[in-house]
Amino acid sequence: KNQVEQSPQSLIILEGKNCTLQCNYTVSPFSNLRWYKQDTGRGPVSLTIMTFSENTKSNGRYTATLDADTKQSSLHITASQLSDSASYICVVSWGEYGNKLVFGAGTILRVKS
Amino acid sequence: DAMVIQNPRYQVTQFGKPVTLSCSQTLNHNVMYWYQQKSSQAPKLLFHYYDKDFNNEADTPDNFQSRRPNTSFCFLDIRSPGLGDTAMYLCATSRGAQGAYNEQFFGPGTRLTVL
Repeated sequence: KNQVEQSPQSLIILEGKNCTLQCNYTVSPFSNLRWYKQDTGRGPVSLTIMTFSENTKSNGRYTATLDADTKQSSLHITASQLSDSASYICVVSWGEYGNKLVFGAGTILRVKS
Repeated sequence: DAMVIQNPRYQVTQFGKPVTLSCSQTLNHNVMYWYQQKSSQAPKLLFHYYDKDFNNEADTPDNFQSRRPNTSFCFLDIRSPGLGDTAMYLCATSRGAQGAYNEQFFGPGTRLTVL
């Protein structure tokens, strides 16, 4: 069964600290993996998208990694800010045309001052 | 700025009273999607349009319908809302359906409450 599992379910960190969120998937055939940030009461906003051949991709203080062999991805947030408080959702696209999506349940991050 | 717009942002309706949610886009994308997201859950795809071709997910209740009169607009109609339909409804668009072309851009969502 195609699944995307994220850990931890929730996380609290102090402002200025780094953190890493995990995403493991069992989706096949894999097309690409995306990380979205969803603020409370808002729609998801894309942070990164990676294909099979990409190992890492950065977007400002956000760096995503992908290990297609172990089917694992991580999202590393550097020097966290209060505005980073949100839900982070890992989404994997799959299928012959890469047109099917599987969403993870998300990791809720809270950054405290 | 090119974007995905949803109206209204908040909607309260009564049990059984039809409601329509609106989505418009200025991205000129071919594909438009409707998702239902309940509290603390991942978004669940209801259906999508590729141009005028409608694609319904197998487990989407018949109570949910959609219309896409033109490229820019897509509507979600809930014919007889139940209490279990209280959720955030997200509209998304993508340039295409395959590979990287299906990177989805989401609107801010409409929070629907059924009383």
